Amino acid sequence: AIRMTQSPSSLSASTGDRVTITCRASQGISSYLAWYQQKPGKAPKLLIYAASTLQSGVPSRFSGSGSGTDFTLTISCLQSEDFATYYCQQYYSYPRAFGQGTKVEIK
Amino acid sequence: EVQLVESGGGLVQPGGSLKLSCAASGFTFSGSAMHWVRQASGKGLEWVGRIRSKANSYATAYAASVKGRFTISRDDSKNTAYLQMNSLKTEDTAVYYCTRQGGITGTSDYWGQGTLVTVSS
Repeated sequence: AIRMTQSPSSLSASTGDRVTITCRASQGISSYLAWYQQKPGKAPKLLIYAASTLQSGVPSRFSGSGSGTDFTLTISCLQSEDFATYYCQQYYSYPRAFGQGTKVEIK
Repeated sequence: EVQLVESGGGLVQPGGSLKLSCAASGFTFSGSAMHWVRQASGKGLEWVGRIRSKANSYATAYAASVKGRFTISRDDSKNTAYLQMNSLKTEDTAVYYCTRQGGITGTSDYWGQGTLVTVSS
């Protein structure tokens, strides 16, 4: 089974900061990588699929990059509504593993 | 508008069974693969399993942690997916989400609000 490892597990940042989260797959997954945002008590929301394609309605300050085993989610200018936990998920093969999550907190 | 509504959660004793439902609307349910994902309190997301469409022979796939105990099914006439959970363990305690696999995205693009399953004596 493919394992997904995110880093960091948490980070503190201020509004307006540029934030980068990384996700590494234990083996190559081409571009079959999605990013989700989850706020407390809510269901996750799809942000990015195919490693770099923005889901409809998602602000352009979110971007994704990478292929193979190494991927990045970048928030270019952090807004107050972006404080949440972010997960990557591979959908190259089953089981569709998630990363352990990255909590973005207010500094 | 796409909507997924889970139901059937509750308190069950270890070794017991529970069946969750996911009622779908706003899209062509019969043509979509459906997934179940769970999240224990304060923990991360865990993919549970998937069922494909009739065109794909209703093929299922499961996480190792639930294989042989959980069964996913669907009733396209009712636009509903199900998660039958048997031989429940305390570690199955979690919020269970159903998700739609998008035809374009290939991944879970819509999620329900979740239903809480508590396994405890």
